[in-house]
Amino acid sequence: DGGITQSPKYLFRKEGQNVTLSCEQNLNHDAMYWYRQDPGQGLRLIYYSQIVNDFQKGDIAEGYSVSREKKESFPLTVTSAQKNPTAFYLCASSRGAYEKLFFGSGTQLSVL
Amino acid sequence: DAKTTQPPSMDCAEGRAANLPCNHSTISGNEYVYWYRQIHSQGPQYIIHGLKNNETNEMASLIITEDRKSSTLILPHATLRDTAVYYCIVSLRGGGSSNTGKLIFGQGTTLQVKP
Repeated sequence: DGGITQSPKYLFRKEGQNVTLSCEQNLNHDAMYWYRQDPGQGLRLIYYSQIVNDFQKGDIAEGYSVSREKKESFPLTVTSAQKNPTAFYLCASSRGAYEKLFFGSGTQLSVL
Repeated sequence: DAKTTQPPSMDCAEGRAANLPCNHSTISGNEYVYWYRQIHSQGPQYIIHGLKNNETNEMASLIITEDRKSSTLILPHATLRDTAVYYCIVSLRGGGSSNTGKLIFGQGTTLQVKP
């Protein structure tokens, strides 16, 4: 079945540590996105990519980095510069920019 | 992208129609209205979208006013499994030089379907 896979489902970060969240899709979609969701809040855009080897900052990119070396993969690194990383992270993809989004099941990141 | 306004919460009796409103008074002529829903601790799920005509699919109906400044998502026979947060989003669709691929989610409406 086609879809988006996020891993791990739960992740813990120690102080000063970088962690990487995985997002893989087999839908042959060009565009991929990372959103952050805090409890009781909507989704905020971190980074998005409309094509391989290209990505743009969203509204809250500080403390995060991404790469898009392959069409099917869009990993997100939460760096030590992100002082409040505890949140639910959602990856999404779409056939093209502004097409309907397909979401993964999310990764819950917590700080130890 | 235009902003949307939704009520923070709504209740609906099981088996009845759920009507979720959304205001998007600053929508531009080439912006679509999209609806997604999110069940607790899961990724959002696409429901439906439209430009200016009313739309219906197997999940819901979308009614857009003639001036396009507001819309209503209708779940015709709500079930307990429809309890979720519903997001209304307006965005450009397709390509174009102003296409940034950026979608903005607000806080949505929490729909509670009650037995």
